[in-house]
Amino acid sequence: GENVEQHPSTLSVQEGDSAVIKCTYSDSASNYFPWYKQELGKRPQLIIDIRSNVGEKKDQRIAVTLNKTAKHFSLHITETQPEDSAVYFCAASKNQAGTALIFGKGTTLSVSS
Amino acid sequence: NAGVTQTPKFRVLKTGQSMTLLCAQDMNHEYMYWYRQDPGMGLRLIHYSVGEGTTAKGEVPDGYNVSRLKKQNFLLGLESAAPSQTSVYFCASRPQGAGNTEAFFGQGTRLTVV
Repeated sequence: GENVEQHPSTLSVQEGDSAVIKCTYSDSASNYFPWYKQELGKRPQLIIDIRSNVGEKKDQRIAVTLNKTAKHFSLHITETQPEDSAVYFCAASKNQAGTALIFGKGTTLSVSS
Repeated sequence: NAGVTQTPKFRVLKTGQSMTLLCAQDMNHEYMYWYRQDPGMGLRLIHYSVGEGTTAKGEVPDGYNVSRLKKQNFLLGLESAAPSQTSVYFCASRPQGAGNTEAFFGQGTRLTVV
């Protein structure tokens, strides 16, 4: 089955710096890669996703890049703010009906002002 | 719309007791999932369902059973709770699309087994 590795497990940055979180996946048939943000005590919520026919996607300060050949994808957050502090999860899924999302172990991002 | 609702929000069980966690969604989603979240372990898939009357095993299914008798409900059962099942449980649902769509999560159930 699919296996998703996520690094680093913790990341501390200063406000205004950039943050990068990287994930690798094992199943070459996976073609959907979402990122979820989970604030303390809350439920995970989708912040951005990318499909395998796209190499990069941006949404304001957040971007995701995908390298299908190397089977890795990354989340980039620019101009970090204290409210970006949370746990971020990457996930992977195949384009088959009913395929579940398999998540990485998460990255705890701390942004200090 | 309420989205995805989990019942109960908190529960303390004694070892060997049984219980059922209920997940209800009002978005007419086909797919539903149960995950457990433990520190440093991320979200691990327990069981999932691709439609009413169907269930499938995920990454960590042992000790759990599920049922999807109605499209809007997905039940997770613990027949004989163990301390290792102390965790936060999240239910999620997705619409049936091209296979790759956003999953919506419930608010979580914090279960402690003593």
